[in-house]
Amino acid sequence: EAGVAQSPRYKIIEKRQSVAFWCNPISGHATLYWYQQILGQGPKLLIQFQNNGVVDDSQLPKDRFSAERLKGVDSTLKIQPAKLEDSAVYLCASSLVRGRTDTQYFGPGTRLTVL
Amino acid sequence: AQSVSQHNHHVILSEAASLELGCNYSYGGTVNLFWYVQYPGQHLQLLLKYFSEDPLVKGIKGFEAEFIKSKFSFNLRKPSVQWSDTAEYFCAVNGGGADGLTFGKGTHLIIQP
Repeated sequence: EAGVAQSPRYKIIEKRQSVAFWCNPISGHATLYWYQQILGQGPKLLIQFQNNGVVDDSQLPKDRFSAERLKGVDSTLKIQPAKLEDSAVYLCASSLVRGRTDTQYFGPGTRLTVL
Repeated sequence: AQSVSQHNHHVILSEAASLELGCNYSYGGTVNLFWYVQYPGQHLQLLLKYFSEDPLVKGIKGFEAEFIKSKFSFNLRKPSVQWSDTAEYFCAVNGGGADGLTFGKGTHLIIQP
């Protein structure tokens, strides 16, 4: 089966610019997650979707970050405006159902560099 | 809030050596625990997970982990490592109604041939 797809793989922007990342989860997976992984750290959850609804966005910096999953399939994460500290790998993950024990499958990530 | 500590950030071993990577978590309620691995150039993938009553969990590629509730630990073990085990290993936890994972900082494991 095809895995989680993400694009672009790499993005370089200047601070104060905007950027968007796209994720297509594994077919049939209802739950989608976005994580931020700063160099030298583990991934940190930004937002969780169940179908097209937000389940948890408590760690999303809402003043500059936004995410949507309008049709309950693919998702977009946006940063506007970007700051230097947003340089990180942005990982998308999906799971078949919503549940703490369900395996999360990760995509390759988008590496963002903010200059 | 949950947190995960991985005490060894870099580990270098020779092939056939035994491996134990430490993981401690802080959360007082029921938890589920995971080990993920990221091989060079590849995605994060699940190695094993604990969510049942059996504290000893076996995963892929000969890895296992033991959940010791009294010590808040979930250490990863492998009796004999191979060069192909070179990777970044992450311990993660969820609990308290949250599905999202809280990860440790990771351990970079290098196996020398």
